Amino acid sequence: AQTVTQSQPEMSVQEAETVTLSCTYDTSESDYYLFWYKQPPSRQMILVIRQEAYKQQNATENRFSVNFQKAAKSFSLKISDSQLGDAAMYFCAPPSKGAQKLVFGQGTRLTINP
Amino acid sequence: ETGVTQSPTHLIKTRGQQVTLRCSSQSGHNTVSWYQQALGQGPQFIFQYYREEENGRGNFPPRFSGLQFPNYSSELNVNALELDDSALYLCASSYTGLANTGELFFGEGSRLTVL
Repeated sequence: AQTVTQSQPEMSVQEAETVTLSCTYDTSESDYYLFWYKQPPSRQMILVIRQEAYKQQNATENRFSVNFQKAAKSFSLKISDSQLGDAAMYFCAPPSKGAQKLVFGQGTRLTINP
Repeated sequence: ETGVTQSPTHLIKTRGQQVTLRCSSQSGHNTVSWYQQALGQGPQFIFQYYREEENGRGNFPPRFSGLQFPNYSSELNVNALELDDSALYLCASSYTGLANTGELFFGEGSRLTVL
């Protein structure tokens, strides 16, 4: 079975600061995509950023960027200039055995302090 | 563009009962996946439907079953409910095809409580 580890159950950061959420996995899949999803208190999960697994260049989406270390099977999310609206549960999803059949980590609860 | 909608949003059942949850996929999507999210946990993959057939299943017993209809909407059925079935059930739609990005679009979920 695939294992996804998010080693930080909770994290807290001051508004405008930078925070990095970690994710490691043990899947052997090398295709497809890796994802970070965000689940605000309203419950609907939304995509934060997507990394194409076959690309060496790390994905960036405005204030969000990833550090994808393929050999180490590590996929961290960096949030720059944190905003109050970033407060949420964050889930990573590494390459899965089948397209769109994502395996999620346990999540990291991010709190933003004003 | 209509997003993913789920119904009901909340429901309470007793042990041994059966429940049906419904999901309307986002316009243009042809694939529906169901996830179970226990309190404080990450979502766990139950199964996926594509072209009205099950297209992959997670580690869930047969009393979890589903359907996909020609309009790509879907149902999740759970028989013989157990206390541990209490969870948020998430539906996610996506597109399977040449333009597949792998992204899932989630509904807000159905919160099931089993007493």
